[in-house]
Amino acid sequence: DAGVTQSPTHLIKTRGQHVTLRCSPISGHKSVSWYQQVLGQGPQFIFQYYEKEERGRGNFPDRFSARQFPNYSSELNVNALLLGDSALYLCASSLNYQYTEAFFGQGTRLTVV
Amino acid sequence: QQQVKQSPQSLIVQKGGISIINCAYENTAFDYFPWYQQFPGKGPALLIAIRPDVSEKKEGRFTISFNKSAKQFSLHIMDSQPGDSATYFCAASLTSGTYKYIFGTGTRLKVLA
Repeated sequence: DAGVTQSPTHLIKTRGQHVTLRCSPISGHKSVSWYQQVLGQGPQFIFQYYEKEERGRGNFPDRFSARQFPNYSSELNVNALLLGDSALYLCASSLNYQYTEAFFGQGTRLTVV
Repeated sequence: QQQVKQSPQSLIVQKGGISIINCAYENTAFDYFPWYQQFPGKGPALLIAIRPDVSEKKEGRFTISFNKSAKQFSLHIMDSQPGDSATYFCAASLTSGTYKYIFGTGTRLKVLA
């Protein structure tokens, strides 16, 4: 079975641009969460979606938004990119909205220049 | 109160030795405690997890010890191998309300051959 897949794997953007990151959860998993991992730190929670509804939001500005599609895949959008948005963006997939056994993808490495 | 404190920041162990990583939390409502292993350029991979009604859980060479009264938990890697060299993150979550992991800051483990 395929694990959590994220695309693209690497991305370079210029300050002020917009970016869209994509995630496909494990087959049968209905919950997708997004995390930001700055180099040398632990992942920080951004969003959780379950059954296409936002179930939780971390302490991130409104420039960050996300959505979940009927097939449970998800997009994370970041507007007006700042240098500080450079990070590894991780998608986590879990069977339901209760946080047991969340599985992470390999992430999207975003570099803002 | 949402923090998870992890120590040490880095750890060097001889092959065959025991690696011990410690975490402490503040929020007594946390009820799920996973450990993740992350290799460079990869997403975190779930190693082992525990709930607070259990004081110890063992899976192969990996053991979690949990001290509810002290609000501490630790990962023990027995017979450490060079292939175990990675960054390890502890995390804590609530399985009610907003479902998210609060991650520790990570421990970079190096096992010498």
